[in-house]
Amino acid sequence: GENVEQHPSTLSVQEGDSAVIKCTYSDSASNYFPWYKQELGKRPQLIIDIRSNVGEKKDQRIAVTLNKTAKHFSLHITETQPEDSAVYFCAAGEGGSEKLVFGKGTKLTVNP
Amino acid sequence: DSGVTQTPKHLITATGQRVTLRCSPRSGDLSVYWYQQSLDQGLQFLIQYYNGEERAKGNILERFSAQQFPDLHSELNLSSLELGDSALYFCASSFGPGAGNSPLHFGNGTRLTVT
Repeated sequence: GENVEQHPSTLSVQEGDSAVIKCTYSDSASNYFPWYKQELGKRPQLIIDIRSNVGEKKDQRIAVTLNKTAKHFSLHITETQPEDSAVYFCAAGEGGSEKLVFGKGTKLTVNP
Repeated sequence: DSGVTQTPKHLITATGQRVTLRCSPRSGDLSVYWYQQSLDQGLQFLIQYYNGEERAKGNILERFSAQQFPDLHSELNLSSLELGDSALYFCASSFGPGAGNSPLHFGNGTRLTVT
């Protein structure tokens, strides 16, 4: 089955710096890669997703890149702000598959 | 607000007991997923239902069971509870049968504490 590995497990940056979180997946059939943000004590919320026919997607300060050959995808957050502090989860899923497999999460801390 | 409703918010019970967690999906969504999140752990997929039928199973223990009713709400039953079952249990819903190509919308979770 699919296995998703996420690095780093914790990340601390200064406000205004960029943050990068990386994930690798094992199933070459996976073609849907969402990212979820979970603030302390709250539910995970979708922040951006990418499909395998696209190499990069941007939404304001957030971007996701995908390298299907290497089977890895990354989340990039620019101009970080304290409110970006949260746990971020990547996930991989096969189109039409019922199962979305999550990475173990990255705890991002943005220091003012 | 995601539109996914989970009750209760908190549940405290003793080892060996049985509890039921309830989830109402977002209006129009046919799939319901259950995830377990232990302290400092990721989201472990338990089970999925689509339009009343079991669609996929993850690492769900035999002591756990679930069902989806005709009105599409779902219940997760946890029995013979152990201390290690203490966790945050999330329900998520999506429109289609596959989580692989349809965004999941999570509820606020039920925090289960087994003492």
